[in-house]
Amino acid sequence: DVKVTQSSRYLVKRTGEKVFLECVQDMDHENMFWYRQDPGLGLRLIYFSYDVKMKEKGDIPEGYSVSREKKERFSLILESASTNQTSMYLCASSNGGTGIQPQHFGDGTRLSIL
Amino acid sequence: KQEVTQIPAALSVPEGENLVLNCSFTDSAIYNLQWFRQDPGKGLTSLLLIQSSQREQTSGRLNASLDKSSGRSTLYIAASQPGDSATYLCAVGPYNTDKLIFGTGTRLQVFP
Repeated sequence: DVKVTQSSRYLVKRTGEKVFLECVQDMDHENMFWYRQDPGLGLRLIYFSYDVKMKEKGDIPEGYSVSREKKERFSLILESASTNQTSMYLCASSNGGTGIQPQHFGDGTRLSIL
Repeated sequence: KQEVTQIPAALSVPEGENLVLNCSFTDSAIYNLQWFRQDPGKGLTSLLLIQSSQREQTSGRLNASLDKSSGRSTLYIAASQPGDSATYLCAVGPYNTDKLIFGTGTRLQVFP
């Protein structure tokens, strides 16, 4: 079974801090994704990576950056956290190539910015 | 721009009922459609994936259908159980990308 592990279930940080969210997958997947989920807005894609050191902006990349130095690990970075970044963050991975592979999700990180 | 809509937003049914969840999308040029389940405070679990060339997929009590021309998919749950209570999300995969576009989900409650 595919396992996607997010390093923290709950995280509380202060405005202006630099925040790192980590995600690791164990199935050698090419693609990895970061989403945020907010009530009434659903899941929105922040960034997407289709290979090591490769990244592509999603729908809402402002205020975020990502890092993928190794195939199994995809990090989301909040450069200077703000209260409007309080949200549930979900990481996912999938096999690449044909675009018909299911995405597998981690359990999420609920981030609160005070 | 592709938009995905799920109706109803919430549904409450007694145990044992057969039920249908609806998903509609505005652009029929899709690669696939995926149904997920999300339990409160948890991530998403993939239930079924339908490729654009398929009409339906089945897994146990779940059956998902896809009608690309009308921009619709349905998730049929047979003989519902309290353990089916969760939020169900559909997501479409546009051509030439591995990204997904999600609907906002249907929150299902099955009461004993």
